[in-house]
Amino acid sequence: NAGVMQNPRHLVRRRGQEARLRCSPVKGHSHVYWYRQLPEEGLKFMVYLQKENIIDESGMPKERFSAEFPKEGPSILRIQQVVRGDSAAYFCASSPRVRATNEKLFFGSGTQLSVL
Amino acid sequence: TQLLEQSPQFLSIQEGENLTVYCNSSSVFSSLQWYRQEPGEGPVLLVTVVTGGEVKKLKRLTFQFGDARKDSSLHITAAQPGDTGLYLCAGAWANDMRFGAGTRLTVKP
Repeated sequence: NAGVMQNPRHLVRRRGQEARLRCSPVKGHSHVYWYRQLPEEGLKFMVYLQKENIIDESGMPKERFSAEFPKEGPSILRIQQVVRGDSAAYFCASSPRVRATNEKLFFGSGTQLSVL
Repeated sequence: TQLLEQSPQFLSIQEGENLTVYCNSSSVFSSLQWYRQEPGEGPVLLVTVVTGGEVKKLKRLTFQFGDARKDSSLHITAAQPGDTGLYLCAGAWANDMRFGAGTRLTVKP
């Protein structure tokens, strides 16, 4: 009964390259959330997706960042033309149903992105 | 400014001591959650508090939701080295869950 799987665990990119972060939710979960965490900080919401739909992307920068959750396959967070300020830990969480006030999020172990 | 302010930011104590950490906001939340995060891992949900004034216990951890549902506290009795980690509070806000910056707890043996 696998939990949320994120890969890669660590990703190193040079400035200007593209970063692709993958997230496979808990089996049966159709809702995925992406968060970003800087050292000594909490989690900042980026985007909330349901299968094939973006529900809320209010926390995601308008440029260079995109996310998808296709019908088949993992959710992908894509960062184009990375800059040093993109270096952070990116966490994915999944849940089995539409977000409710006391819903439980299951988190993956994160992808640590380092931009050289 | 953070929607949820957590204090203290850092806390280092000896094994066996008691401690309380706080999560405060000027906004009312329908519920608050507490998560614990260990280095290199994602947060894990500890508890959800829903009713103002509610108290929940999880072994040596006691969680309280303020009467006005704007704040919460986490009290740990007789802390153990295994309690070391980042404690995050989170509240449901519009379409997403907003997190505080966390309290980083270190329990020394």
